[in-house]
Amino acid sequence: AQSVTQPDIHITVSEGASLELRCNYSYGATPYLFWYVQSPGQGLQLLLKYFSGDTLVQGIKGFEAEFKRSQSSFNLRKPSVHWSDAAEYFCAVGAETGANNLFFGTGTRLTVIP
Amino acid sequence: GAVVSQHPSRVICKSGTSVKIECRSLDFQATTMFWYRQFPKQSLMLMATSNEGSKATYEQGVEKDKFLINHASLTLSTLTVTSAHPEDSSFYICSARVSGTTRNTIYFGEGSWLTVV
Repeated sequence: AQSVTQPDIHITVSEGASLELRCNYSYGATPYLFWYVQSPGQGLQLLLKYFSGDTLVQGIKGFEAEFKRSQSSFNLRKPSVHWSDAAEYFCAVGAETGANNLFFGTGTRLTVIP
Repeated sequence: GAVVSQHPSRVICKSGTSVKIECRSLDFQATTMFWYRQFPKQSLMLMATSNEGSKATYEQGVEKDKFLINHASLTLSTLTVTSAHPEDSSFYICSARVSGTTRNTIYFGEGSWLTVV
């Protein structure tokens, strides 16, 4: 069965500190992985995606994520967090082709302390 | 990048009335669109998959007669919440898959807040 687990419901970091948001997945086929960010009251914005190739993926806003097949993980990282990064982050897994939807994790809420 | 627009972004309606939410892909064609619902502090839950020119496929537990989905063109899908009740108050988000590609890149709208009073 397909599922995405984000073990951390809420994370608080100081501005300027590094960040890692965890994501583990279970998927029956080759997974294609996404990270989305949702600012309060707004929709989702794609941060980055992994389809194939280099397992370290660069995204927007200085984020990166690393696909580790052996650990079924796709953790999101940022070396130095900005106050504007405070938001809800969703990891999702889907199929490469077809009309398949995405399976979402429950999200991790990031609070940034000045 | 690809843009998906939802309208209205916020709507308040009276209990028993119907409300329509539009989802438009502004600069690409979308054969498939998805409608999600998000309850407070929870993740997105897929409600239905909308394919252009055909009936939507609803997820288990979603009332198709209550949540009417129409995907009449390659750039527009609508969700109509009929006979709305306060428990239908939620954040509704649509997404659209770019047509004609082999990659499953999906773009999301900004969402619509529905409050039923």
